Amino acid sequence: DTEVTQTPKHLVMGMTNKKSLKCEQHMGHRAMYWYKQKAKKPPELMFVYSYEKLSINESVPSRFSPECPNSSLLNLHLHALQPEDSALYLCASSQASTEIYEQYFGPGTRLTVT
Amino acid sequence: AQRVTQPEKLLSVFKGAPVELKCNYSYSGSPELFWYVQYSRQRLQLLLRHISRESIKGFTADLNKGETSFHLKKPFAQEEDSAMYYCALGGNKLTFGTGTQLKVEL
Repeated sequence: DTEVTQTPKHLVMGMTNKKSLKCEQHMGHRAMYWYKQKAKKPPELMFVYSYEKLSINESVPSRFSPECPNSSLLNLHLHALQPEDSALYLCASSQASTEIYEQYFGPGTRLTVT
Repeated sequence: AQRVTQPEKLLSVFKGAPVELKCNYSYSGSPELFWYVQYSRQRLQLLLRHISRESIKGFTADLNKGETSFHLKKPFAQEEDSAMYYCALGGNKLTFGTGTQLKVEL
């Protein structure tokens, strides 16, 4: 299996809701990433997990809370989001978190905050 | 700080014409550079990386350290090449350029 999968594909949530995005890979990769992508813009890095430990947090607001339960799974817990958080959220994985490895991207979750 | 610059937001060429997507970078160390492509309604995927020095779908890119550039080239554009292309620099994290939308017209 050489794909990164993400669920759900689409999510609409109110500003008081709590929801979670899920990401899974079975390539044996030890680094996983969350990106946020606005329309016609490049992905912006949010978080990096390396060997199931959070290694980079790009000053993301606390209403986004990542979790890595095991080496294959990555979650992003959402709470009290704002309309400007509406975007495509991409998960990616790579063999390790050093700069030489290709990142494999999931199809993304399209999030709309109302 | 590492930075990637793609000066063209949109590049429109005719089918069969040569294509060059420009990318310049700023990085103090030894750079690891990639081109990622996003076709319409498809996931972001790696097109090529400088370390492998291979040609993918007819595209090539050469790292020029003197000019700090990693331009993407293809001698004859095809309609299926229409997509968003991102140059990316690997450092302590992957830094993307702003992207160039390539449109190949018939």
